[in-house]
Amino acid sequence: QKEVEQDPGPLSVPEGAIVSLNCTYSNSAFQYFMWYRQYSRKGPELLMYTYSSGNKEDGRFTAQVDKSSKYISLFIRDSQPSDSATYLCAMSAFSGANSKLTFGKGITLSVRP
Amino acid sequence: SQTIHQWPATLVQPVGSPLSLECTVEGTSNPNLYWYRQAAGRGLQLLFYSVGIGQISSEVPQNLSASRPQDRQFILSSKKLLLSDSGFYLCARRRAGVDNEQFFGPGTRLTVL
Repeated sequence: QKEVEQDPGPLSVPEGAIVSLNCTYSNSAFQYFMWYRQYSRKGPELLMYTYSSGNKEDGRFTAQVDKSSKYISLFIRDSQPSDSATYLCAMSAFSGANSKLTFGKGITLSVRP
Repeated sequence: SQTIHQWPATLVQPVGSPLSLECTVEGTSNPNLYWYRQAAGRGLQLLFYSVGIGQISSEVPQNLSASRPQDRQFILSSKKLLLSDSGFYLCARRRAGVDNEQFFGPGTRLTVL
């Protein structure tokens, strides 16, 4: 079993839809969780960062972490064509100088006008 | 602001040729720096990370090497490229003093023919 699993997609939704993106993980030591957005041929851009379990909201984006189920989600409300990109989840067990991130493979989202 | 530059943006090289990719960071001192490779269908693979000048940790055995000759400069090299070295190479930095958020540069797309 891979440490981080992410649905490969692709995912296509109409404009205005609520999008749910998910990752599961196997390492119970993970406690720092991130979502990145990557436009085609660009570097990933940090969208959301959460520590431990719970929800975090930023505009149309909500990140949710359920450590008991080893499951994280990113919700996008009122999706826009500009949200069309690849979304990567990432997580780590430790903080500090030697911390490393483990990434999911990413899911490509397309929002149709 | 803290900015990451990567050079070149695109590169096409023949098998067996050498490689040198450069990453420079502005606006921060003593950053943790990372080299990732992103290949189609394989997600982000951590290659090297550095916590300071001359300090390199290798994550994956391969024909690549990294060096950090200056605080804000991180170089990825190879003496002889393989076809399997093709991919999108990303440099990242960890935000100084704060948890595990990593910020990525624009990337270098390498094609080995």
